[in-house]
Amino acid sequence: GDSVTQMEGPVTLSEEAFLTINCTYTATGYPSLFWYVQYPGEGLQLLLKATKADDKGSNKGFEATYRKETTSFHLEKGSVQVSDSAVYFCALSEPSGGSNYKLTFGKGTLLTVNP
Amino acid sequence: KAGVTQTPRYLIKTRGQQVTLSCSPISGHRSVSWYQQTPGQGLQFLFEYFSETQRNKGNFPGRFSGRQFSNSRSEMNVSTLELGDSALYLCASSLDGQGWTSSYNEQFFGPGTRLTVL
Repeated sequence: GDSVTQMEGPVTLSEEAFLTINCTYTATGYPSLFWYVQYPGEGLQLLLKATKADDKGSNKGFEATYRKETTSFHLEKGSVQVSDSAVYFCALSEPSGGSNYKLTFGKGTLLTVNP
Repeated sequence: KAGVTQTPRYLIKTRGQQVTLSCSPISGHRSVSWYQQTPGQGLQFLFEYFSETQRNKGNFPGRFSGRQFSNSRSEMNVSTLELGDSALYLCASSLDGQGWTSSYNEQFFGPGTRLTVL
């Protein structure tokens, strides 16, 4: 079945450092890929997405490129801020019986950014 | 536009009891999905409803059930609670595309219901 593997962390960085969170996936077809972010005490928010190979999703300075050849969707940000401290989830969605609304998540990566 | 709302936000139950959680989707959204989040297993898909029909189901025992009403509001029920059912239960809603050829509809998540089973 489908699966997502991401570095579990925790990851601790200083403000303005470069961030990479690795994510690889296993899927039988052509999934859509996502990064979600969860701030303390809140639900998940979609950070960015890519729906086909070589697409680049970007939002709030974060970027991720859909790499079909390496089955990867690594999250990057050039300069993190304290406000980026949160848990980040990589996820995929693949057609399942005609419905594409089942998200498969990675375990999540806790990011802490210190001033 | 109001976001996805879930009630109650916190719940404490004892083993053997049953519980019902409620989710109100964003106005106009027709699909509602439920997820369980635990420290050990992470985020796991429970089920998805559309037009009052369960369209997709994850690998959970029959103690976990749900339904959707004509106004798209959804409830999930857990019977005979076990300690391992303690979790954050997240609901997500989306507009609905007809089939895979439609563009993906983003899922909007609610804040969750924190269930503690003692």
